[in-house]
Amino acid sequence: GQQLNQSPQSMFIQEGEDVSMNCTSSSIFNTWLWYKQDPGEGPVLLIALYKAGELTSNGRLTAQFGITRKDSFLNISASIPSDVGIYFCAGLPSGTYKYIFGTGTRLKVLA
Amino acid sequence: KAGVTQTPRYLIKTRGQQVTLSCSPISGHRSVSWYQQTPGQGLQFLFEYFSETQRNKGNFPGRFSGRQFSNSRSEMNVSTLELGDSALYLCASSQGPDQPQHFGDGTRLSIL
Repeated sequence: GQQLNQSPQSMFIQEGEDVSMNCTSSSIFNTWLWYKQDPGEGPVLLIALYKAGELTSNGRLTAQFGITRKDSFLNISASIPSDVGIYFCAGLPSGTYKYIFGTGTRLKVLA
Repeated sequence: KAGVTQTPRYLIKTRGQQVTLSCSPISGHRSVSWYQQTPGQGLQFLFEYFSETQRNKGNFPGRFSGRQFSNSRSEMNVSTLELGDSALYLCASSQGPDQPQHFGDGTRLSIL
């Protein structure tokens, strides 16, 4: 079946550093979503991308829809302790109505 | 605007019992999806409803079932509970099946 490879699985960074993570697939996607999940809560939608090459920001977060339509990237600039959590990507494969989720990137920020 | 509401937040059951979880979507959202989240398996798709019809189903046994009502509220039922059913069950709603999904905070189900 269709799968999303999300990397890295986890990362420790120093406060103030920039963070990058990505999701890749062998399939073409029509939509990419990025979520953040805090402990004990559901995932919260951060950014939605709809077109190849699209670059969208939400505060210190910037996400891009890869031009091949098979990948997406999320960058967090100047990380702060509250950025800690699990970040998920989700993609909507072309021709389907079922989102596929990545396995998540666990981010830990060292003050 | 109220978000997705899931009840109950926590549930403890024993093997063999059955359970019903409830999800109230964001007002105006007609699509509701259910996911099972476990540490080892991540987010696994259970099923998706749109206008009271199940449109997609994941690879779960028939013990897992759901339905959607005319007001878009949805319920999920799990019968003959097994230890492996312990998980966080998340509901997500969207305006349509291909629109961004918004999640509730989930129901944490523990099977003893």
